[in-house]
Amino acid sequence: DAGITQSPRYKITETGRQVTLMCHQTWSHSYMFWYRQDLGHGLRLIYYSAAADITDKGEVPDGYVVSRSKTENFPLTLESATRSQTSVYFCASRENRVSEAFFGQGTRLTVV
Amino acid sequence: EDQVTQSPEALRLQEGESSSLNCSYTVSGLRGLFWYRQDPGKGPEFLFTLYSAGEEKEKERLKATLTKKESFLHITAPKPEDSATYLCAVQASAGKSTFGDGTTLTVKP
Repeated sequence: DAGITQSPRYKITETGRQVTLMCHQTWSHSYMFWYRQDLGHGLRLIYYSAAADITDKGEVPDGYVVSRSKTENFPLTLESATRSQTSVYFCASRENRVSEAFFGQGTRLTVV
Repeated sequence: EDQVTQSPEALRLQEGESSSLNCSYTVSGLRGLFWYRQDPGKGPEFLFTLYSAGEEKEKERLKATLTKKESFLHITAPKPEDSATYLCAVQASAGKSTFGDGTTLTVKP
């Protein structure tokens, strides 16, 4: 199916464990993004990538790691999960620097 | 630092009662202002892009306008299916966007 997909949709993990959230897009968009959305807040940028092998920090990068070896994939890893990382995570892609973004359905992560 | 402030936080309307949502922004070198709609449990969906002051765009009951300091999303004769959270984002010279916290619209039949 064309579009942008995230997996898993739901995840419960324990404090201190490593967790990887997956994001895959089929459009070959250059830009990809990871956001977190907490209750009552908008989207806060964690990391973004302008192309394969190019990544940069966003507003809240601490505790997260990203990689982009292929244009279509942009996994987000929580190296040692903390309760403050409980949130809904959204992946997005865009064709260029000023085009609209397309979002995945989100991953609801709970750290216990 | 780019900033986006949306107001009100929540808006309750009766079906057919027109209103406006506000998005105030400060950004160095605006490349575009975006409006998205987000339904509960889903990712945001793109509505409009505005690039310069004075620009307007329409889609069904929605109309977005842009000035040098703010954008408005006008909703004319809303229906219950327009209930959602509306997000505003600004795109500056870098590749990333800054989002506001959103306005949650509820339209009662």
